[in-house]
Amino acid sequence: NAGVTQTPKFRILKIGQSMTLQCTQDMNHNYMYWYRQDPGMGLKLIYYSVGAGITDKGEVPNGYNVSRSTTEDFPLRLELAAPSQTSVYFCASGAGGPYEQYFGPGTRLTVT
Amino acid sequence: AQSVTQPDIHITVSEGASLELRCNYSYGATPYLFWYVQSPGQGLQLLLKYFSGDTLVQGIKGFEAEFKRSQSSFNLRKPSVHWSDAAEYFCAVGAGSGNTGKLIFGQGTTLQVKP
Repeated sequence: NAGVTQTPKFRILKIGQSMTLQCTQDMNHNYMYWYRQDPGMGLKLIYYSVGAGITDKGEVPNGYNVSRSTTEDFPLRLELAAPSQTSVYFCASGAGGPYEQYFGPGTRLTVT
Repeated sequence: AQSVTQPDIHITVSEGASLELRCNYSYGATPYLFWYVQSPGQGLQLLLKYFSGDTLVQGIKGFEAEFKRSQSSFNLRKPSVHWSDAAEYFCAVGAGSGNTGKLIFGQGTTLQVKP
């Protein structure tokens, strides 16, 4: 039982490049989330999904896209990378409502 | 709108001393409240949570937190800190309607433990 896995762990992008951050969970959770963490700012919700085929925007969705074709996978797409997207990205999954979210180890992204 | 404030950005305590990390929230109804811990270079791990019942909740690693509705607070406590408790701590409130499980996080408090 691996929990929530994220790839890659680290990535450096040039401005304007695109990439996909991968997230997979093996706990059969319906709910999945993408957060970004910036120093002194806590975690901000980018997008979330309540089940396969259903996604919605969080607090800071601009510049990102997501899809959810299976229960297990919830990739995050950056189309035109900008320096403002330099951050640590965390994927999480859970059962919704008052239940715990399980976090992946994070992806550290630098855009230069 | 829901919000969470952690007034202390950085706290230093001596090993063996007691600890209290503050968390204040803004939410119209009875909130779901969480404390997560993040060790350097790691993801977040749940310490404890409150959503109903006894207002004093026990968590892992000897932590506890008390929900005080009148003060809109959910402070985290530990009677005796260990060097391994050095980490960043986040308070979070369940946000929005429905069952989405969305969380609003505070800014975090970094705990340093002196030997």
